[in-house]
Amino acid sequence: DIVMTQSPDSLAVSLGERATINCKSSQSVLYTSNNKNYLAWYQQKPGQPPKLLIYWASTRESGVPDRFSGSGSGTDFTLTINSLQAEDMAVYYCQQYYSSSRTFGQGTKVEIQ
Amino acid sequence: EVQLLESGGALVQPGGSLRLSCGASGFTFGSEAMTWVRQAPGKGLEWVSTITSSGDGTYYADSVKGRFTISRDNSKNTLYLQMDSLRADDTAIFYCAKERGYCDSSDCPSLTDHWGQGTLVTVSS
Repeated sequence: DIVMTQSPDSLAVSLGERATINCKSSQSVLYTSNNKNYLAWYQQKPGQPPKLLIYWASTRESGVPDRFSGSGSGTDFTLTINSLQAEDMAVYYCQQYYSSSRTFGQGTKVEIQ
Repeated sequence: EVQLLESGGALVQPGGSLRLSCGASGFTFGSEAMTWVRQAPGKGLEWVSTITSSGDGTYYADSVKGRFTISRDNSKNTLYLQMDSLRADDTAIFYCAKERGYCDSSDCPSLTDHWGQGTLVTVSS
């Protein structure tokens, strides 16, 4: 299975500042035939199911604020939250869907400093 | 609006069985692959199983292979997860989720785009 490793496990950010979460896969999730990275980011708030934020590593899901952005390719990816808002406090997960046996990162908890 | 409603979660003894259901609405159920994902208390997300839109292809995590069976009834817009030989480490919230994109019996690189609220399965004596 492809192992997904996120860093850090948690971070505290002041309102209005930037949060950066990294995700590394144990093998490339870039499908060369279509040049797409099969990497998604999800947000999970307490007591709620996950919500899709980003797919193809950098495409924002409809309705997701543009302060959320994704970047990276191959094995290294980043989720950036610009101008952090109070409602962004949550756990964020990356997931690869390159393999039919999907795997998630362990999660990164974002707290307000 | 996509709606997914899980049911069937319960307290069950180790070695027991349970069947989860997920009723779907707001999209063409028979056209999309479907997935189960679980989350142990206070832990992260773990993909469990995916089934193709027609039901002719199924995929399982190694941790549940041979014990869990995913199925669907497209005439009833319902997804199922039959869980046998349950263990304490199967205790989790089980989420039903809709897929988007390509998924067939030989490969399934689809994206999980909508999730239900989940149903709690507790395995304990």
